[in-house]
Amino acid sequence: AQSVTQLDSQVPVFEEAPVELRCNYSSSVSVYLFWYVQYPNQGLQLLLKYLSGSTLVKGINGFEAEFNKSQTSFHLRKPSVHISDTAEYFCAVKVAGNTPLVFGKGTRLSVIA
Amino acid sequence: DGGITQSPKYLFRKEGQNVTLSCEQNLNHDAMYWYRQDPGQGLRLIYYSQIVNDFQKGDIAEGYSVSREKKESFPLTVTSAQKNPTAFYLCASRGTGSYEQYFGPGTRLTVT
Repeated sequence: AQSVTQLDSQVPVFEEAPVELRCNYSSSVSVYLFWYVQYPNQGLQLLLKYLSGSTLVKGINGFEAEFNKSQTSFHLRKPSVHISDTAEYFCAVKVAGNTPLVFGKGTRLSVIA
Repeated sequence: DGGITQSPKYLFRKEGQNVTLSCEQNLNHDAMYWYRQDPGQGLRLIYYSQIVNDFQKGDIAEGYSVSREKKESFPLTVTSAQKNPTAFYLCASRGTGSYEQYFGPGTRLTVT
């Protein structure tokens, strides 16, 4: 069975600084990878996804992520954060077939003015 | 507008009562999912359904029940057997041939 580990539960960062949110997964088969964002008391919104092809994936709001198969990682990055990026971020993995996404426990990003 | 609706946004119940959470989608998606979210726990899968009249247990199905009589609807009943029902409940759906799930706005259930 696949699993996802988000290494940091909370990440504080100053406005306009870069940020990296880490995600590692375990799976014995090929995977599809996702990052979602959740604002307080709302549902999850898809930020970006890796299905195949280029290992650098660009998403909405200036975020990008890099798939690294050898390190089984899919870290999320943004070169300059804004106050509005304050939210919880979830990494998720899926294998082929009719299987649900498996989520990490989330990383709470707090952007400080 | 296409999307997933969950109602109500906030729900309050007394202990010992069953309660049903609504999830409706007009995306024509075949698969639907229910997750429970607790602080620091991430999302945990309760039940999912790939097609009408069929559903499977997820990781934490005990104390919950579902039905899938229509493609658009996947209601979740939180029964009195669920020991800690207070949580944020999220419904999601996925289209055939697609990989990502789309989420509704969630229902926050408080049981006292």
